[in-house]
Amino acid sequence: GAGVSQSPRYKVAKRGQDVALRCDPISGHVSLFWYQQALGQGPEFLTYFQNEAQLDKSGLPSDRFFAERPEGSVSTLKIQRTQQEDSAVYLCASSLYRANYGYTFGSGTRLTVV
Amino acid sequence: AQSVTQLDSQVPVFEEAPVELRCNYSSSVSVYLFWYVQYPNQGLQLLLKYLSGSTLVKGINGFEAEFNKSQTSFHLRKPSVHISDTAEYFCAVSGQGGSEKLVFGKGTKLTVNP
Repeated sequence: GAGVSQSPRYKVAKRGQDVALRCDPISGHVSLFWYQQALGQGPEFLTYFQNEAQLDKSGLPSDRFFAERPEGSVSTLKIQRTQQEDSAVYLCASSLYRANYGYTFGSGTRLTVV
Repeated sequence: AQSVTQLDSQVPVFEEAPVELRCNYSSSVSVYLFWYVQYPNQGLQLLLKYLSGSTLVKGINGFEAEFNKSQTSFHLRKPSVHISDTAEYFCAVSGQGGSEKLVFGKGTKLTVNP
């Protein structure tokens, strides 16, 4: 597609519920990143894929967070047993290969845990 | 590891006035530098980036930034702002090599008043 597509756009989850957030990167983009943006803050790195390989997951806040990109294109970020502190906008970005090619961000998924 | 400091959380200016948004970074390796803009309920849009070469970088919408290695700064400037420039601006740094993940500052809210 022309841009990075994320779905759903908004998600309300009850505390303890599992959620799955989807990212469709630009076709052919090798690198894919997930970021978490809390209200009034800058985005914070969660995890990085190069094709289907998850090369860096140092930013995942707990073992309740899991990300995958099984075929090297679409990626899913899963949060198990959601907590109120998980409420944030989750942004996905893709790049043709590396940083100097530039990153394109999706519009994000706003997750609210009630 | 890299870090970014955006010195001003809010910058109010009048329309057609010049503006400078300040950004300082720290890193133990060479870096790429970026400025992104975020409009309400939208993702991040790249304004400009510094990869190498000329330290004065021109971007979209009339913005420019200057890389100063000795002062570890990458300030964003525009000679004359418009109402439509009202948005959140994020400075980001990426260390060359590795995953090249972006590390963001906390953002500067630019408000352009008539």
